[in-house]
Amino acid sequence: KNEVEQSPQNLTAQEGEFITINCSYSVGISALHWLQQHPGGGIVSLFMLSSGKKKHGRLIATINIQEKHSSLHITASHPRDSAVYICAVRYDKVIFGPGTSLSVIP
Amino acid sequence: AAGVIQSPRHLIKEKRETATLKCYPIPRHDTVYWYQQGPGQDPQFLISFYEKMQSDKGSIPDRFSAQQFSDYHSELNMSSLELGDSALYFCASSFGSWDYGYTFGSGTRLTVV
Repeated sequence: KNEVEQSPQNLTAQEGEFITINCSYSVGISALHWLQQHPGGGIVSLFMLSSGKKKHGRLIATINIQEKHSSLHITASHPRDSAVYICAVRYDKVIFGPGTSLSVIP
Repeated sequence: AAGVIQSPRHLIKEKRETATLKCYPIPRHDTVYWYQQGPGQDPQFLISFYEKMQSDKGSIPDRFSAQQFSDYHSELNMSSLELGDSALYFCASSFGSWDYGYTFGSGTRLTVV
């Protein structure tokens, strides 16, 4: 079993839809990052969470430490949101999830 | 705001050649992390430095070495390059620990031909 799992693996949405990407992990962590990677591009850190909820623009990230689960929500999705979204955690090393490939269609 | 700077952005090398990738962290960040991402793969942690000392080691091949200098920039030296070394190499920096201000650079795309 992978230590960090994400669902769905691939997601296609219509512009304007509300999107949720899930991340679950099996180890005790100090923090979790949500990262965004555009095709052929660099990685951008969207959020760092250790508890609760954070919001930035149309993006919302939540984490439940007891349930070892985090979600990334995108409201009013837009084609420019198309990217791979990766959750990454650290306990004694950094572990990346497999990523969720999001495609938002106009 | 200043970001993590990596150079070069793109690099093409032949097999058995040597490559040096550079990473300049955000000012006042003292920790640098190196990652390798092969085509269609997750980033793999290679090595990290804190205050110019190696702090953690991942799946870095023996042909690779890295160091962090007094100005906190880091260099990844890759020798005897193989075709399989073709990848996107990211560095990230933070202040003190991974949890604080962790920021990625744009990456260096290395192609070995």
